[in-house]
Amino acid sequence: QKEVEQNSGPLSVPEGAIASLNCTYSDRGSQSFFWYRQYSGKSPELIMFIYSNGDKEDGRFTAQLNKASQYVSLLIRDSQPSDSATYLCAGRGGGGFKTIFGAGTRLFVKA
Amino acid sequence: DAGVIQSPRHEVTEMGQEVTLRCKPISGHDYLFWYRQTMMQGLELLVYFNNKAVMDDSGMPKDRFSAKMPNASFSTLKIQPSEPRDSAVYFCASSPRQGANVNYGYTFGSGTRLTVV
Repeated sequence: QKEVEQNSGPLSVPEGAIASLNCTYSDRGSQSFFWYRQYSGKSPELIMFIYSNGDKEDGRFTAQLNKASQYVSLLIRDSQPSDSATYLCAGRGGGGFKTIFGAGTRLFVKA
Repeated sequence: DAGVIQSPRHEVTEMGQEVTLRCKPISGHDYLFWYRQTMMQGLELLVYFNNKAVMDDSGMPKDRFSAKMPNASFSTLKIQPSEPRDSAVYFCASSPRQGANVNYGYTFGSGTRLTVV
């Protein structure tokens, strides 16, 4: 079992809709969670991080964390075709600085 | 800032040859990471440094891989001998020092696409 699990997708949503990306993790010691966006042929870029239970909003993005359920999610409101990419969920343990990445979910936003 | 700089961008080599990948982190970043990305395995951490010291290399095949950080602005990842299964995109990333309740993510370089034939 991978430490960070994501549905590989693809997830397809129409332009303007809400895209919901989900992630579960197995290490209860994980303290911080990150969402990276990776366009095809490019490197990952950080879009959100969260370490407290609840929601964290930044523009069109909302990250949600539920440590009891070991669940992390990313909501993208008013999805745009430019949001089409692979979204990587990542978790970092409390005892070190190692970050473990999920396999990523491919998102397609249809115009 | 120029960001994290990796070289070369592409490398094609024959099985058994030595390959050296290079990385220059963002100035002032204390942490440096080497990841490998493949379709099958995703992003795998090979090794990471804090202030030039190896903190964790448990993901690195030590019989053929070696990583060094001789100074704060330069790191190398060497594969000797290379094998076809090493074909992947290798990313270097750096991050500032962590503070209390401060969570920095990583800044990734553009990656090196390695093909071993």
